[in-house]
Amino acid sequence: KAGVTQTPRYLIKTRGQQVTLSCSPISGHRSVSWYQQTPGQGLQFLFEYFSETQRNKGNFPGRFSGRQFSNSRSEMNVSTLELGDSALYLCASSLQGAGSEKLFFGSGTQLSVL
Amino acid sequence: DQQVKQNSPSLSVQEGRISILNCDYTNSMFDYFLWYKKYPAEGPTFLISISSIKDKNEDGRFTVFLNKSAKHLSLHIVPSQPGDSAVYFCAAAESGSARQLTFGSGTQLTVLP
Repeated sequence: KAGVTQTPRYLIKTRGQQVTLSCSPISGHRSVSWYQQTPGQGLQFLFEYFSETQRNKGNFPGRFSGRQFSNSRSEMNVSTLELGDSALYLCASSLQGAGSEKLFFGSGTQLSVL
Repeated sequence: DQQVKQNSPSLSVQEGRISILNCDYTNSMFDYFLWYKKYPAEGPTFLISISSIKDKNEDGRFTVFLNKSAKHLSLHIVPSQPGDSAVYFCAAAESGSARQLTFGSGTQLTVLP
């Protein structure tokens, strides 16, 4: 079974631009979560989608948004990029997104904002 | 406000000895705890979990202990192997709610041959 796939692997953008990251969950998994990892803040929860609906959202500004498609694939978008948005963005999937399920993570997209 | 804390940024252990990684939490609503391992340039990999109804869970060389009264959990690796060298993250969740993990800041474990 293929794992969680994230594209692109690396991305370089400049301040003010916008970016879209993509995530394909493990086949059969319906819940997709996004996390941001930075050296200063560690791993922080962005949002979680299940059946094309956002079920939970972390404490991030509205510039961070996401969506999920009917095939469970998900995208996240960051608009008006700031230098502080430079981070590793991780996507994780699970079957139903229940609190006691383990998450399977992708390798992440490393975003650098110049 | 860090709800999950790993106070040791790094730990070095000799191969074959025990590694003990610690984690503290403040949110009493957390009732499900997990440990993840992360190598550079890869996503975190699930290691072991424990529900608050238990105080110990074992899986091969890995054992997680939970002390609810102290809001403390620990991961024991016995025996430690060089391949265990990685960053270990403790995470917590409320099992009754939609998936949202709160992570600690991680501990870099180095197992010396």
